[in-house]
Amino acid sequence: DTGVSQDPRHKITKRGQNVTFRCDPISEHNRLYWYRQTLGQGPEFLTYFQNEAQLEKSRLLSDRFSAERPKGSFSTLEIQRTEQGDSAMYLCASARDPERFYEQYFGPGTRLTVT
Amino acid sequence: GNSVTQMEGPVTLSEEAFLTINCTYTATGYPSLFWYVQYPGEGLQLLLKATKADDKGSNKGFEATYRKETTSFHLEKGSVQVSDSAVYFCALPLTDSWGKLQFGAGTQVVVTP
Repeated sequence: DTGVSQDPRHKITKRGQNVTFRCDPISEHNRLYWYRQTLGQGPEFLTYFQNEAQLEKSRLLSDRFSAERPKGSFSTLEIQRTEQGDSAMYLCASARDPERFYEQYFGPGTRLTVT
Repeated sequence: GNSVTQMEGPVTLSEEAFLTINCTYTATGYPSLFWYVQYPGEGLQLLLKATKADDKGSNKGFEATYRKETTSFHLEKGSVQVSDSAVYFCALPLTDSWGKLQFGAGTQVVVTP
């Protein structure tokens, strides 16, 4: 069990650029979640996958955001035309389905700074 | 919808002091309740959980009891160590959540030698 990994750990980009983050979950976990965390706040749910299917997206996820999980393994989160308000820590978590999907294992996060 | 409110930090304590972090919730029914911890530079980790009323979750010397009468899930530790310095998050499932968690704002705990 190597844990959840995220890449990159830090990303600085200029407003209007596109960015993509990657998450590698724990291998036997078929649930994968994306959260966003801003300074002084708890994580906020963005979207989640069961295997390769994206089952729900939060209203926080505007049409500039897209997430994929091809083949039910790693996941990517892309933000197009970044805005300064997108600056946050993006967290990925995975869990075993169906009985333990609240026991989520989080990665270290990708900190995005939009200048 | 379901929500949690937890006490603001930072909470600064001396080593071996008693720690309490208050968490109250609003929920439909009686969902499971969780405490997650985030150590500096690390990802959030599940610290403990309780799945029904009057359950006590415990781990690493921390305890929390699910109290439906007061809609609370306060986190306690009898004797903190410097290594307990972290941010602690109370959480519960979002309504109709299928695993989506609603987190509190977090409480930073600083333990000094």
